[in-house]
Amino acid sequence: QKEVEQNSGPLSVPEGAIASLNCTYSDRGSQSFFWYRQYSGKSPELIMSIYSNGDKEDGRFTAQLNKASQYVSLLIRDSQPSDSATYLCAVDTGTASKLTFGTGTRLQVTL
Amino acid sequence: GAVVSQHPSRVICKSGTSVKIECRSLDFQATTMFWYRQFPKQSLMLMATSNEGSKATYEQGVEKDKFLINHASLTLSTLTVTSAHPEDSSFYICSARPNMNTEAFFGQGTRLTVV
Repeated sequence: QKEVEQNSGPLSVPEGAIASLNCTYSDRGSQSFFWYRQYSGKSPELIMSIYSNGDKEDGRFTAQLNKASQYVSLLIRDSQPSDSATYLCAVDTGTASKLTFGTGTRLQVTL
Repeated sequence: GAVVSQHPSRVICKSGTSVKIECRSLDFQATTMFWYRQFPKQSLMLMATSNEGSKATYEQGVEKDKFLINHASLTLSTLTVTSAHPEDSSFYICSARPNMNTEAFFGQGTRLTVV
């Protein structure tokens, strides 16, 4: 079983809609969770970090964490074509400061 | 936020030659840095963990004699691809974390093309 799992997509949403990206993880002791966005040919950039159960909002982005269900999600409101990218979920498993990444979900926002 | 700088951003080399990629943490000290490789339309693959002052830890299947990692200071790690071949052509990315509780910051990546 993979440590961090994401649906590879593509997830296609119309412009202005809400995009919902999901991630599950296997290490129940994980404490820190991150969402990165990666445009084609570029390196990943941080979108959100979340450390405690519940929701965390930043502009159009909301991260949701449920440690009991080992589930973290990212909601993107009012999706824009510029949001089209691959979104990577990363989990801190406490091993040598290494983050474990999911394979990423490709998001396509259509006009 | 913290900055990780990677150089060069793009390199083309002939088959059989070696290429060195540098990764610097500009405003924090990094005892650990990470090197990833990414092929087109594929996910990030962790190659190795670079440890300041000691040997790197390589992931299973990564040839340590081919991908030489040196982490001689708290702000610099280098990855040398030795005797490069066309199949080594890929996007190489480094990352580092200022501390255990923060996010990882990524370098800009290096596009390596071996001809």
